[in-house]
Amino acid sequence: QQQVKQSPQSLIVQKGGISIINCAYENTAFDYFPWYQQFPGKGPALLIAIRPDVSEKKEGRFTISFNKSAKQFSLHIMDSQPGDSATYFCAASNGGATNKLIFGTGTLLAVQP
Amino acid sequence: NAGVTQTPKFRILKIGQSMTLQCTQDMNHNYMYWYRQDPGMGLKLIYYSVGAGITDKGEVPNGYNVSRSTTEDFPLRLELAAPSQTSVYFCASSSWTSGGASNEQFFGPGTRLTVL
Repeated sequence: QQQVKQSPQSLIVQKGGISIINCAYENTAFDYFPWYQQFPGKGPALLIAIRPDVSEKKEGRFTISFNKSAKQFSLHIMDSQPGDSATYFCAASNGGATNKLIFGTGTLLAVQP
Repeated sequence: NAGVTQTPKFRILKIGQSMTLQCTQDMNHNYMYWYRQDPGMGLKLIYYSVGAGITDKGEVPNGYNVSRSTTEDFPLRLELAAPSQTSVYFCASSSWTSGGASNEQFFGPGTRLTVL
């Protein structure tokens, strides 16, 4: 019940294309769903996050789509750029007094020029 | 602000040796975390702390110990290092509040540890 399943493991997209990464969760108590971006040799950094009271959140070229009934959420990167090449992690948290995150296994995105 | 800093950046240990990974944050965050990152496995929580003097186990605590004597520092101790502890270790911090708009965790740059 604590797992977050992420797919695909790797993704190659042409510059200008749309990158889509999917995650699924089981624990219905999760109430916070962030996406983290990690460049080689760096720590992860928060990209965008959503709470289950909305079905979509957009920040620039990055959009989270959230389907509460299916217990799935996805990251869409519009107009993908070579600078977006990184590893992306979805995560989930049930809040509470610890703010612990359960991470997906990551997606290595390569945007080809 | 420097954010979350970690030392050392790299370390090679021999089996059975011990070491402490240092983590410091200057954002006055009450919550701090230690993760390990292995290829294809995402980040796994080792230990976390919700404030000075309070620590608790995460998903993979075996072989590790932590302490939190100050708000700023959260060192991770490896006793009797084993090859299975070869990994990249990340420290993170957050200032969680109930119903807060953001539960963002801020990560340090990581320590790459190899145990031979």
